[in-house]
Amino acid sequence: EVQLLESGGGLVQPGGSLRVSCAASGFTFGDYAMTWVRQAPGKGLEWVSSISHSGPNTYFADFVKGRFTLSRDNSKNTLHLQLNSLRTEDTAVYYCAKERGAYPRYGTDVWGQGTTVIVSS
Amino acid sequence: DIQMTQSPSSLSASVGDRVTITCQASQDISNYLNWYQHKPGQAPKVLIYDASTVEKGVSSRFSGSGSGTHFTFTIISLQPEDIATYYCQQYDDFPLTFGGGTKVEIK
Repeated sequence: EVQLLESGGGLVQPGGSLRVSCAASGFTFGDYAMTWVRQAPGKGLEWVSSISHSGPNTYFADFVKGRFTLSRDNSKNTLHLQLNSLRTEDTAVYYCAKERGAYPRYGTDVWGQGTTVIVSS
Repeated sequence: DIQMTQSPSSLSASVGDRVTITCQASQDISNYLNWYQHKPGQAPKVLIYDASTVEKGVSSRFSGSGSGTHFTFTIISLQPEDIATYYCQQYDDFPLTFGGGTKVEIK
């Protein structure tokens, strides 16, 4: 069974940093692109970032460019989203999702339960 | 950016009713569209991909249609367990974008 388990969320002050991670199991992690999507309180789903299966290709929403970085360790079946220069508007549940293909833009098929990031002083 | 306009934003229907949600893309996205079901506290679940293909294990009472810019999602016979918010999402181009969501309630 394909499973994705996010971790690393928490409370951080504005301007601070946090790393959220996604542990994958049940599939050959290195064969698939991965994506992060977030949902702010009371809002809809919002795409954050995606990465190709082997990692060199990353894509970011304009509102996180230059602040967030995305990496993966295929030997450990783990995805990492580094959140820097955090703003109150980054408060959200962050979901990781598996893509259907080696590169993004094939659509996602399985999502994790999410990890909550709260940016507040 | 491709804008996804989803309607209605909410609806209330009776058990057994046919429910239809529409999604309009601001430009041609071919059939690169997912439909998701999202219940509070749970992971979003893909119901339909490539606009009309029902995901494995998903009830046949869910269906999708459309291509280009106009898409439709249908619940053939609404059940109590279908209470959720439903989203469309295009994956034709970056940034990947979602519709605003449709909250479905039982009347």
